[in-house]
Amino acid sequence: EPEVTQTPSHQVTQMGQEVILRCVPISNHLYFYWYRQILGQKVEFLVSFYNNEISEKSEIFDDQFSVERPDGSNFTLKIRSTKLEDSAMYFCASTGGGRTEAFFGQGTRLTVV
Amino acid sequence: GIQVEQSPPDLILQEGANSTLRCNFSDSVNNLQWFHQNPWGQLINLFYIPSGTKQNGRLSATTVATERYSLLYISSSQTTDSGVYFCAVVRGSSASKIIFGSGTRLSIRP
Repeated sequence: EPEVTQTPSHQVTQMGQEVILRCVPISNHLYFYWYRQILGQKVEFLVSFYNNEISEKSEIFDDQFSVERPDGSNFTLKIRSTKLEDSAMYFCASTGGGRTEAFFGQGTRLTVV
Repeated sequence: GIQVEQSPPDLILQEGANSTLRCNFSDSVNNLQWFHQNPWGQLINLFYIPSGTKQNGRLSATTVATERYSLLYISSSQTTDSGVYFCAVVRGSSASKIIFGSGTRLSIRP
């Protein structure tokens, strides 16, 4: 069964450092998303991406964040200068194939120290 | 925007018990999914159920779209069923974001 894969599964970084979280969406999907879940809280939408541009973003997705599809398979989330409050689980998701069913990756747990 | 409310927020049961989790949403939706978040934080896709009823083993789900709610049933609970169950909806097309409820934390005691 096709799946969304994310790397790394865990990342620890120092405050102020840049991090790049990577995702490989399902191959025939066209819509890609990043979500964030702070420990113990609900899963929050960050950004959606279609046709090589952002289609929607939340208030959380400020200038410190950026997304890119550098090639035909990867979808990345970059945080330019991490803050302690960026510590969270980050999920990538994709949809497509004529259905709105979302498939999520296993998540990247980011810890900013 | 659309509101997604789940109840109860917490549920503690003995192994073998049955449970019903509820999801109410404030507007019409094109998609509704149930997820189980396991102790490692992974979101496991349980059901894609914009309407109707589906069953998968001990789990089943029903969505009544016209009344804007969905129910997740877990029968004969096992300790491995513990975790947080999320309901999530999509209002528009494939490009639309998925909105999560706050979840129900289920604890199954041996």
